[in-house]
Amino acid sequence: EPEVTQTPSHQVTQMGQEVILRCVPISNHLYFYWYRQILGQKVEFLVSFYNNEISEKSEIFDDQFSVERPDGSNFTLKIRSTKLEDSAMYFCASSAGLAGYNEQFFGPGTRLTVL
Amino acid sequence: AQTVTQSQPEMSVQEAETVTLSCTYDTSESDYYLFWYKQPPSRQMILVIRQEAYKQQNATENRFSVNFQKAAKSFSLKISDSQLGDAAMYFCALYAGNNRKLIWGLGTSLAVNP
Repeated sequence: EPEVTQTPSHQVTQMGQEVILRCVPISNHLYFYWYRQILGQKVEFLVSFYNNEISEKSEIFDDQFSVERPDGSNFTLKIRSTKLEDSAMYFCASSAGLAGYNEQFFGPGTRLTVL
Repeated sequence: AQTVTQSQPEMSVQEAETVTLSCTYDTSESDYYLFWYKQPPSRQMILVIRQEAYKQQNATENRFSVNFQKAAKSFSLKISDSQLGDAAMYFCALYAGNNRKLIWGLGTSLAVNP
């Protein structure tokens, strides 16, 4: 069964460093998403991506964040200069069509720890 | 603003018994979808059940069913014949209108006692 994969499973970085979180969505999916979950808190939407551009982003997704689909298979989230409060679980998701009617499939997550 | 509220941080149930997890939501949209996701210790979000707002019939998936009360904006999840593998965090989520994102509740941690 096709699945969303994410690498790495755990990333430890120093404050101020750049990190890139990688996701491989399901191959025929067209919509891609990043969410994050700070320990003990709600899952929060970060950004959705369709047709090679951002279609929606939250207030969390500021200039420190960027997304890219560099090669038609990977979908990356870059944090330019990490802060302590960026420590969270980051989930990638994809859907075949607009979410809601179409199920969003989630990856296993990347745990980001900023020291 | 769209919100999802889960008022039960923790619940427990005996194996083979039935448990109901509560969720209320708020949206001004007429077109929306509601979801229950399960997050086991492995952390991967798994869709349990989905309800389209325009459907009056409550969704069911095997041992999982919902009680969708549209006027009350309530969307509870019933798990029948609970199994040890049902132990997980359960999240209620809302997808409304053209908003290309899920709005999540805080989650309910379900323990299943043997």
